[in-house]
Formats: sequence, C-alpha cells, structure tokens
Amino acid sequence: GENVEQHPSTLSVQEGDSAVIKCTYSDSASNYFPWYKQELGKRPQLIIDIRSNVGEKKDQRIAVTLNKTAKHFSLHITETQPEDSAVYFCAASNNNDMRFGAGTRLTVKP
Amino acid sequence: KAGVTQTPRYLIKTRGQQVTLSCSPISGHRSVSWYQQTPGQGLQFLFEYFSETQRNKGNFPGRFSGRQFSNSRSEMNVSTLELGDSALYLCASRTTTFQETQYFGPGTRLLVL
Repeated sequence: GENVEQHPSTLSVQEGDSAVIKCTYSDSASNYFPWYKQELGKRPQLIIDIRSNVGEKKDQRIAVTLNKTAKHFSLHITETQPEDSAVYFCAASNNNDMRFGAGTRLTVKP
Repeated sequence: KAGVTQTPRYLIKTRGQQVTLSCSPISGHRSVSWYQQTPGQGLQFLFEYFSETQRNKGNFPGRFSGRQFSNSRSEMNVSTLELGDSALYLCASRTTTFQETQYFGPGTRLLVL
C-alpha cells in the first residue's frame, strides 16, 4: 500500500520568513495530493491540493509543487504569519484510499 | 451547507466494551471515510463507505467496522475496546471519489480506561 513520509516533523521560523515542508510517496498510482492544516483542538482543513497532471499550484502565500518522477511533493508558505502556526499534513491518494504523512508542527515566531 | 457533524464529541469507555460513533456528511456527499488520529501513529485510514457499501478498507483489525445508511449517514463501531483504541476518530465526506476535496468533521475523542 501507499507509504507517505513527511519532513521535517517540527519547523520553527520567524514571522515573514518562508517555510517548506516535504513529502514523498511510494505508490506510483497516487494521483491526488492534498495538504491539510490542523490547529490545536480543531479538525484538519484543506489548504491546497494538486493533481498528478499538474506540476505546481499557487494560492496567495501558499504553493505546492509535485515531482511525479521522484515521487515527492512540497508545501511552500511565504511571508509566514503567527496564525500559520499549526500542524500540517500531506496526503497521497489513489482510487482506493488516502494515506497521510506524520505531520509537521510549524511554529511562526512573532 | 452545514458541515460534517459527528456525535458524540467525547466518550469514555472501559476495556472490553464496545462503542458506536456517528457521522453525518455534508448534504449531497455520498462518500464517508473514517480515520483514527493518535499522537504516535498520526492520521490513519480506517475505511470508506459509498452508497451504503464499504468501498475501501485500511489495515485495522476486524474489531473496527462500520456501515452507511441510505441518507449517507455513517456509523463506526469498535468492539472489545483496548487501551490503544484511545484516539480522535475523524470522519470526512466527499462527493464521490478520493480525487475530490474531502471535508472533516470535528471528531469524536474516545478514551478507553
């Protein structure tokens, strides 16, 4: 089955700096890659996603890149703000299930 | 539209008991997935129901089961509870396939004593 690895497990940045979180997956049939943000005590919420026919997608300060050949995808957050502090999960999905990375705890210091 | 709802929000059980959790998807969503979230194992896929049928299943023992009703509401059952079953159980709904955006419910926090 699919295996998703996510790095780093914790990330601390200064407000205004950029943050990058990386994930790798093992199943070449995976074709949908969402990213979720989970604040303390709250449900995971989708922040951006990318499908396998696209290499990059951007939404304001957030971007995701996908390298299908290398089987890795990354989340980029620019101009980080304290409210970006949360746990971020990557996921990879084929037609049968969705597997999540272990999560990255991002702390943005004011 | 109303979001995904789950009941109950909190539950305390003892080892050996069984528990049933409920999930109401967003109106029009026919796919409901269940996940277990623990600090040690992260978010793990339990199973997915679509049109009242279990369509996909993760790597969990048979003590974990579920069902879906004709109105797409889903229930998850855990029998013979173990201490390690303590977790946040999240359900998520989507329109049809895994390639569509899924929306999570608030979760049911289960504590097994």
